[in-house]
This record gives sequence, C-alpha cells and structure tokens, in this order.
Amino acid sequence: NAGVTQTPKFQVLKTGQSMTLQCAQDMNHEYMSWYRQDPGMGLRLIHYSVGAGITDQGEVPNGYNVSRSTTEDFPLRLLSAAPSQTSVYFCASSSGGYNTEAFFGQGTRLTVV
Amino acid sequence: AQSVSQHNHHVILSEAASLELGCNYSYGGTVNLFWYVQYPGQHLQLLLKYFSGDPLVKGIKGFEAEFIKSKFSFNLRKPSVQWSDTAEYFCAVRNTGFQKLVFGTGTRLLVSP
Repeated sequence: NAGVTQTPKFQVLKTGQSMTLQCAQDMNHEYMSWYRQDPGMGLRLIHYSVGAGITDQGEVPNGYNVSRSTTEDFPLRLLSAAPSQTSVYFCASSSGGYNTEAFFGQGTRLTVV
Repeated sequence: AQSVSQHNHHVILSEAASLELGCNYSYGGTVNLFWYVQYPGQHLQLLLKYFSGDPLVKGIKGFEAEFIKSKFSFNLRKPSVQWSDTAEYFCAVRNTGFQKLVFGTGTRLLVSP
C-alpha cells in the first residue's frame, strides 16, 4: 500500500524561485490537506481540499497555491520562495466521512536560502 | 475556532518512568481526538484515536489516553517508557463532521537509558 506519497523528500531553493511539492494518494480519499511544521509551532494548515475542483485556505495560506484537478493529486506551489517558507511540509488525506483518521505522507524538508 | 494546548514542551524521563502528556482543546462540541508521534527524521504516525464510546483508549506501543469531556482534555499516558519512545508527540483535534485537524505545538520527549 503506497498511501500518501510526497515528492521530493528534500529540496533547497533560492529566494524567489518557484517550485511544486507533489502529493498523491491511492486511497480514493476526498479530503486532502497541506501542513507545514515549524519548531515550537506544531503543524499548521496551509490549504485543503474537500474534493476534486474544490480548495480552500487554511491557517497560513500566503505564498502558496494549490489546485485539485484529480482525486489522487494535490500539489502545493510556492510562487516565489522566501526564507520564511523554510519548513517541513506534510500532505495528508482522509476519506471525509465521520470518525475517520488522516494519513500523512513522509514529508518534504524545504530550505530556502 | 478550535485550538489545542500542549503544556509540556519538553519532557525528560529515565527509562521505566511513567509518562503523562497533557492535551486540552477549546471547542466544546463533539470532537474526534488523536495523538500522533514523530520519531526523529520520520513522518507522523498515529498512536491512538478517540471517536466515541469508552473514554479510555488504548493505542500502539503501550500508550493509552483518557478523554475527559468535562475538562476538555485528552491526556496521553504510558506506565513505563523506553528509550525508543524518544520522539515528538502531537495532540490533534477535529470537530466531528469536519475534516480539518488542529494540532497542538507538540511535546518533545527524551528518554534517557
């Protein structure tokens, strides 16, 4: 079972560069989300999607863009990377029903220099 | 908006000591509750979850948690920790019927052999 797959695992960007973090799930889950993890701050929700074609902002959406063209994929785009976006990014998915758990990807460690 | 407090940011224990990590949430409605663990360099893994029923839930690796609705708490316990329990522990809450997980800031546990 692949579950939730994130690529790449590590990335270094220069300030101002753009890139896309990939997230794919093979569980036919409706709900997908992106979190960033920073020391002492836990995980904070960036963007989420309740199904293909539907996305919404989370707690810290600035500087990030998402789209959901298929149920399986939920890429996160950094439009113009800034050092403040240095973080570990986690993608998660869940089936969207009551009493279900979220499954997390392995994470992407991003450094912006 | 829902918020989660983990009051212990760093905990240091010796092997065989008992562990209790506090978690309190703010929203008083029906909630789903989770504890996740993140071992060094790894992704989030689900330790245990509470959806309904018996407020004392047992998870993997000998962990358990007790949901006390009147105190808005979901504390994590383990009678005897091992060196391999060294990790960061996150409490998370979700309002039933919604998919957004709200995380606490995490507790770093160091178990000395």
